[in-house]
Amino acid sequence: GDSVTQMEGPVTLSEEAFLTINCTYTATGYPSLFWYVQYPGEGLQLLLKATKADDKGSNKGFEATYRKETTSFHLEKGSVQVSDSAVYFCALSSGGSNYKLTFGKGTLLTVNP
Amino acid sequence: DTEVTQTPKHLVMGMTNKKSLKCEQHMGHRAMYWYKQKAKKPPELMFVYSYEKLSINESVPSRFSPECPNSSLLNLHLHALQPEDSALYLCASTPSSGVSNEQFFGPGTRLTVL
Repeated sequence: GDSVTQMEGPVTLSEEAFLTINCTYTATGYPSLFWYVQYPGEGLQLLLKATKADDKGSNKGFEATYRKETTSFHLEKGSVQVSDSAVYFCALSSGGSNYKLTFGKGTLLTVNP
Repeated sequence: DTEVTQTPKHLVMGMTNKKSLKCEQHMGHRAMYWYKQKAKKPPELMFVYSYEKLSINESVPSRFSPECPNSSLLNLHLHALQPEDSALYLCASTPSSGVSNEQFFGPGTRLTVL
């Protein structure tokens, strides 16, 4: 079945540091890949997505590239801010799972001033 | 209108109570979802409605009863819940059940069962 593996957190960084959160996946067919962010006390918000190999999703300074050869979709940001503190979920959707979202376990990011 | 709304924001109920959660979207989306999220965990899918028909039930106990009265509205009826059902309940929608469509999530209802 489909699965998503994310790096374990928590991740603690200083403001303006570089961020990488690793995400690898296993899926049938050709999945779409997503990063969602959940701020404290809120629901999930789509951060970015990619629907085919070599696509790069980007939003608010965050980027992730769909790498089919390594089955990865790592999230990066060049300079994090305190306001980026949140839980980040990598997720996939594939026809083999009836279009359900399969989530990774989530990574808690804390950015200190 | 590009959001999913959920009411109430917080709910406290006893194990003998009957209550309902409500979800609404006016984006013309035809697939709607209920998720349960425990603290520090990813959301777990409960139900999927596609074109107002229940298409997926992830073996959810019958004390949770979903309802989709129309294409904009999704309810979750709760009865005889257990304390372990305390969680954040999230609603989501998507234009259709296509693989590339992202799901739009509401802010959730924080449920506490006493």
